[in-house]
Parts: sequence; C-alpha cells; structure tokens
Amino acid sequence: SQQGEEDPQALSIQEGENATMNCSYKTSINNLQWYRQNSGRGLVHLILIRSNEREKHSGRLRVTLDTSKKSSSLLITASRAADTASYFCATARGGGAGSYQLTFGKGTKLSVIP
Amino acid sequence: SQTIHQWPATLVQPVGSPLSLECTVEGTSNPNLYWYRQAAGRGLQLLFYSVGIGQISSEVPQNLSASRPQDRQFILSSKKLLLSDSGFYLCAWSAGYYGYTFGSGTRLTVV
Repeated sequence: SQQGEEDPQALSIQEGENATMNCSYKTSINNLQWYRQNSGRGLVHLILIRSNEREKHSGRLRVTLDTSKKSSSLLITASRAADTASYFCATARGGGAGSYQLTFGKGTKLSVIP
Repeated sequence: SQTIHQWPATLVQPVGSPLSLECTVEGTSNPNLYWYRQAAGRGLQLLFYSVGIGQISSEVPQNLSASRPQDRQFILSSKKLLLSDSGFYLCAWSAGYYGYTFGSGTRLTVV
C-alpha cells in the first residue's frame, strides 16, 4: 500500500524559481527519504531525514519533517531545467536484521521551463 | 565504489512465457536487496526483499518469485507471464539505515 502521498502531482515553474513538494504519510517512521527519477531511468537518492530531525540541507535542497503532522516538504531553490524529473518521497520502516523497507508515494512530476 | 547492474534494459515477452531478470551488486558485501515494480505514472511497489543468501521476503502475492543464490545476486522470475506483469522493474540495494541505490531498471512489456 502507498504510505507517502506527494502533493502536487505535477508542478510547472520557470527556471530560477523555487519548487516546493509536499509529502504526507500515515504511520510512524524511522526516516523519510526523497528520490529523483528522470524519465525511464532508475531512482537517485537525494536526501534522508531521520525521525528525530526537523530540517536538513543538501546543496539547493532543503527538506523538513514534521512528525506530529506526518508530513515532509522538499524545497529546490533556484531551479534549473536539469531539475526536470519526478520526485518521490519514501518512508522507511524497520524490517529487522539491519534492513528496512521503503514505501514510496506516487511522486510529483516537476517541469522547469527554461 | 559500489555499483549495481541490472539487465536487460528492455524486454518484450509473450503471455505465458517465463521471465528471468538479474541484478548484481559490486563493491559491497551482504547488502540488503530489493525488487520494486513501477506501473506507468505510478509509484513504486515493493515486490521482494532479501537480507541474505536464500532469504526472501515477499510483500505482494503474485505471479512472480525471487531468489538470491549468491550474496550479491538477486533474480526475479516468473514461470508464466501475464499481461498485468508489464511494468518497469527496479532492483536496489542498501546497507544499514541509509538510502537505497537503484539499478537502471528493466522495462518489461508482456504482449
């Protein structure tokens, strides 16, 4: 079943603008991760935020996590045409033996117009 | 450095034919391995995961099976494909509570 639900489903912005994507989930988590997928390709891990963290930065990416509201947001600042891709949030639940399973949302399709 | 290989990139198979997709990881030992399927325009659905050789956990009962004959090899199989098995299949590995590393995927079309 889908745990994370991204919002909006699609987002179109001009190059240089900021892009904000949101994710909501239903159950308790160990961590939440964001991935990027270019059309027809595999997913690339962007950033991981643990359940005891509230904000994390990586380059032009900023992720927030609000466990009380079971929600997260991904902000891409100063967007570029190369940021055009689908972005997925994924929630991690422990599976024992040092493993965990990720449950993905349906993604936000971001289009950055040059 | 760690790398993950997944093949073939595309596959067109008739209904009722068998399937074997292979995934191998290099540069790490005892990885956790995963098979996901992505239907067109949808999110990813976890199919199987493995924490060690011969250890397979199935998330969704279906027409598929998985095996891990070696530490860094994960195979997705089917004896008889259905039209509904079409999709984009992704293999991934992880170690500990870090992000997954995905392969480049296999686009399977069952005709």
